[in-house]
Amino acid sequence: EDKVVQSPLSLVVHEGDTVTLNCSYEVTNFRSLLWYKQEKKAPTFLFMLTSSGIEKKSGRLSSILDKKELFSILNITATQTGDSAVYLCAVELQGAQKLVFGQGTRLTINP
Amino acid sequence: EPEVTQTPSHQVTQMGQEVILRCVPISNHLYFYWYRQILGQKVEFLVSFYNNEISEKSEIFDDQFSVERPDGSNFTLKIRSTKLEDSAMYFCASSLGGNTIYFGEGSWLTVV
Repeated sequence: EDKVVQSPLSLVVHEGDTVTLNCSYEVTNFRSLLWYKQEKKAPTFLFMLTSSGIEKKSGRLSSILDKKELFSILNITATQTGDSAVYLCAVELQGAQKLVFGQGTRLTINP
Repeated sequence: EPEVTQTPSHQVTQMGQEVILRCVPISNHLYFYWYRQILGQKVEFLVSFYNNEISEKSEIFDDQFSVERPDGSNFTLKIRSTKLEDSAMYFCASSLGGNTIYFGEGSWLTVV
């Protein structure tokens, strides 16, 4: 069974801290890994990763994929209260038009 | 920026009633999806749709569910006879194919 596991499930930090969110996967036919931010309703796209070892960066957020060890991390530096959200990791399967989601990491940034 | 739009944002329905959730995917996208998220649980895949037919569906997507693209813009999910356990947030999504999947704001369905 295809599986995506995120850790931690919940994280509370102070504004300005750096956080690292983890995503590991066991799937039959990997195509890409995606990170989404879910604040109230719609998951909003952050990153799509297909190649190992190449860091993707957007402002204070960055992410990298390790296809050998089957995991990805999402880093957020200098966190702000607006970063508070559930961060979702999802794996897209080759030859199947669907995403398999992890359970999400609920990140809370306290002022 | 183009976005996926969904209606209604919230619907309350009696058990056994039929429900239709509507979506307008991003205009040049080719692949359309429905996902659902039961409160406190993972986002789960329901169905994908390409070239006017279902390309993949999950075990959740049983005979009570159907999808349709009645015209060039709308993509609908019908639940024929709702059950209490169908209460969830239903997300429509679309993609060009091989690219990022973009999600709508969701339709929150409450079955009472």
